[in-house]
Amino acid sequence: LAKTTQPISMDSYEGQEVNITCSHNNIATNDYITWYQQFPSQGPRFIIQGYKTKVTNEVASLFIPADRKSSTLSLPRVSLSDTAVYYCLVGDGGQNFVFGPGTRLSVLP
Amino acid sequence: KAGVTQTPRYLIKTRGQQVTLSCSPISGHRSVSWYQQTPGQGLQFLFEYFSETQRNKGNFPGRFSGRQFSNSRSEMNVSTLELGDSALYLCASSFRTLLRQGNEQFFGPGTRLTVL
Repeated sequence: LAKTTQPISMDSYEGQEVNITCSHNNIATNDYITWYQQFPSQGPRFIIQGYKTKVTNEVASLFIPADRKSSTLSLPRVSLSDTAVYYCLVGDGGQNFVFGPGTRLSVLP
Repeated sequence: KAGVTQTPRYLIKTRGQQVTLSCSPISGHRSVSWYQQTPGQGLQFLFEYFSETQRNKGNFPGRFSGRQFSNSRSEMNVSTLELGDSALYLCASSFRTLLRQGNEQFFGPGTRLTVL
């Protein structure tokens, strides 16, 4: 059964790089890892998705080690508007998909 | 293009009743997934429908059911409501079926259900 863990909260200052790690020990061989951002009173918003090694898009990078038991979301040069809750999502190898508990990121001026 | 829409946005029911929630996906998207979000349990996957067929299912009791129509619109039904069913119910649409094919989901704003 898939179980994901994330830090509950993190603080950062504007302009810094933030790295949030999600542990997913039982990820299935063919499952992708997806990260979402959620603001209060809104649905989650897709940030990035990957299968292995490193993926980069215009807003973030995702690092996945060879064993795929964890993944790290990297947000370069965060701003106040990046204050949100960040979730990882993985499949459990069956038909279920499991979200991490979420990491509440607070960006301070 | 229009995003994912969910109706109603807010709903109040009493224990024992049943409720139907609706989700209209982004035009062209064939996958609709449903999620429950509560402060205690966080985000939990309910099920996914793709081309009118349930493709994936989370660990929820049979009181939670869904269906998808030929136009990809989806409904979720909860029967015999319990107090613990109070939650934000989110739906998400995507072009392909869920994570295994490398796929981006777009979420709606959710329906907030309160069970009294």
